[in-house]
Amino acid sequence: GNSVTQMEGPVTLSEEAFLTINCTYTATGYPSLFWYVQYPGEGLQLLLKATKADDKGSNKGFEATYRKETTSFHLEKGSVQVSDSAVYFCAGMGSARQLTFGSGTQLTVLP
Amino acid sequence: EAGVAQSPRYKIIEKRQSVAFWCNPISGHATLYWYQQILGQGPKLLIQFQNNGVVDDSQLPKDRFSAERLKGVDSTLKIQPAKLEDSAVYLCASRPLRDTEAFFGQGTRLTVV
Repeated sequence: GNSVTQMEGPVTLSEEAFLTINCTYTATGYPSLFWYVQYPGEGLQLLLKATKADDKGSNKGFEATYRKETTSFHLEKGSVQVSDSAVYFCAGMGSARQLTFGSGTQLTVLP
Repeated sequence: EAGVAQSPRYKIIEKRQSVAFWCNPISGHATLYWYQQILGQGPKLLIQFQNNGVVDDSQLPKDRFSAERLKGVDSTLKIQPAKLEDSAVYLCASRPLRDTEAFFGQGTRLTVV
């Protein structure tokens, strides 16, 4: 079956630092890939997505590129803010149209 | 556009009691999912509906969990009897038939004591 392996957390950064959260997937075929974010006390929100190889998803300064050769979808942001503190989930959706999630990475950004 | 609505937000029950959760998806979304999110883990799929039919319930513990989606709109998820290990956040999500983006509700946090 499909699986998503995500970088373990927690991650603590200072404001304006560079962020990378690694994500790799195992799937039959080429799933659509997503990053979801969960702010404290809120539900899961879609942050960005990519539906095919070499696609780059971007939103709110975050980016991730669908790398077929390394089966990866790493999340990056050049300069994080305190307001980016949240839990980030990598997820894949295959032909069954079901989301398979990674374990989540807790990000804390300090002022 | 209204989002996915879930109720209640919080529930505390004793083990062996029963509990039910309700979900109202975004209007027009044919696909509805229930996920279980245990603290510190990613959400795990319990059941997927398309309209009022079950697409996949292979990961639903059917000896104690049941779910239905009457008329292809609202859905309820029931646990009877609850166990301590059922303590988790139960998330409902919906998706349009021909899109890949799923929209999540805020979840119901269940504590079994």
